[in-house]
Amino acid sequence: SAVISQKPSRDICQRGTSLTIQCQVDSQVTMMFWYRQQPGQSLTLIATANQGSEATYESGFVIDKFPISRPNLTFSTLTVSNMSPEDSSIYLCSVEDGGAAFFGQGTRLTVV
Amino acid sequence: GENVEQHPSTLSVQEGDSAVIKCTYSDSASNYFPWYKQELGKRPQLIIDIRSNVGEKKDQRIAVTLNKTAKHFSLHITETQPEDSAVYFCAASIKEYGNKLVFGAGTILRVKS
Repeated sequence: SAVISQKPSRDICQRGTSLTIQCQVDSQVTMMFWYRQQPGQSLTLIATANQGSEATYESGFVIDKFPISRPNLTFSTLTVSNMSPEDSSIYLCSVEDGGAAFFGQGTRLTVV
Repeated sequence: GENVEQHPSTLSVQEGDSAVIKCTYSDSASNYFPWYKQELGKRPQLIIDIRSNVGEKKDQRIAVTLNKTAKHFSLHITETQPEDSAVYFCAASIKEYGNKLVFGAGTILRVKS
């Protein structure tokens, strides 16, 4: 399966600031996905990132809050903007490989 | 949109017993159903998946069954071991739309030795 690396693995941020999370894959993939996992909860899809086009956001998530870049077929970034304590979660990128979805190790974000 | 319900939320079994986790989905167009295991502080790991043209799939101690008519699918773990203790998530997607997964709420499985 694809090897997916996320950076940073964790961070503690001040409210009102922004954090950019990077996701690197060791092979070219058409779609990359960003999920949020709030403490003790399940995973919720934030958006789908396609190379060469704007990301597609799910209901409840907007580009101004979660801007996404997809400059090439192996890399994507998710920015969490103007953070509040409610944004404290694990953020995970995911790619499809061989018909199945695999996840990065996640970024644990704490907003204080 | 798709909605996936998962039961039970917690499950405790004795080592060696079987564990069954059930999920139902709402969108009849969903055709791909993976199961993930997530240990504390780790990423979700795919353990088994099934497509809608198959009714059952087995991999050693793990099996998944799918009932398309009733729109439910289940994970079966036999001969449970303490290392099976984790949170298990079911999910559903429409393959033609990529792997945009809708997850169930998760089941905390505890295997007591």
